[in-house]
Amino acid sequence: ELKVEQNPLFLSMQEGKNYTIYCNYSTTSDRLYWYRQDPGKSLESLFVLLSNGAVKQEGRLMASLDTKARLSTLHITAAVHDLSATYFCAVVGGGADGLTFGKGTHLIIQP
Amino acid sequence: DSGVTQTPKHLITATGQRVTLRCSPRSGDLSVYWYQQSLDQGLQFLIQYYNGEERAKGNILERFSAQQFPDLHSELNLSSLELGDSALYFCASSVETLNTEAFFGQGTRLTVV
Repeated sequence: ELKVEQNPLFLSMQEGKNYTIYCNYSTTSDRLYWYRQDPGKSLESLFVLLSNGAVKQEGRLMASLDTKARLSTLHITAAVHDLSATYFCAVVGGGADGLTFGKGTHLIIQP
Repeated sequence: DSGVTQTPKHLITATGQRVTLRCSPRSGDLSVYWYQQSLDQGLQFLIQYYNGEERAKGNILERFSAQQFPDLHSELNLSSLELGDSALYFCASSVETLNTEAFFGQGTRLTVV
C-alpha cells in the first residue's frame, strides 16, 4: 500500500523566513504533485514533478523531487502572509492512477 | 477557476437517503477522478473514469458508484447514507492519465444528518 507522509503537519512562521516542507512516499513513483488548499476551497495545482532531480519554481515556492530517496521538498523563501494555506503532496502509484495524498501541512505565516 | 464544474455546492440530507453529485470536466479532458475529503480520513481517491470507462478504483465503498457519460460528465451516486459519509467530495479532471496536471473542481459539501 502506497503511503505518503508529510512533515511537519503544522507550521507557524514569521514573514520573511525560509522553511521547507518534506514529503516522503513508500513505493516507487516518478510522478509527484504539490497542491495548495485554502480553507473550504478547492485544491490548486502548484507543481507537477515527473522525473528524478526535477526542480520547479514559482515565485517564493520551489519544489524538488528525488525519486531514489522517495522524497520531495517544497521550499518557501522569504514567506509572506498570502502563502498561508494547507499544502498537500500527492503521488501516483499503488496500481491505480488516482493520487494518494499526504495529510497536508497547515502553514500559518504571521505578519 | 479550474474549469471543472461541480454541482451542487452544498447538500444536506438524512441518513439512509441517496444523492447524486455531478461533475463536468474541463473541455478536452478525458479523465475524471472522484475524491473524498474528511477530517479523519484526509483526501482519499475514490474512482477514476477515462473516456467513459472505469479506469481505477480506490477506497470507494460498495454503497457508492459512479459513471461517466458520453459527453464526459460524471456522476457520483451515494446511497444508504451514513453520518460518516459527511465530507467534501471533489471531482478532478485531466487530459489523459496523471502524467499531466489534474485540475480540481470546487467540491460538493455533503452533510448527512
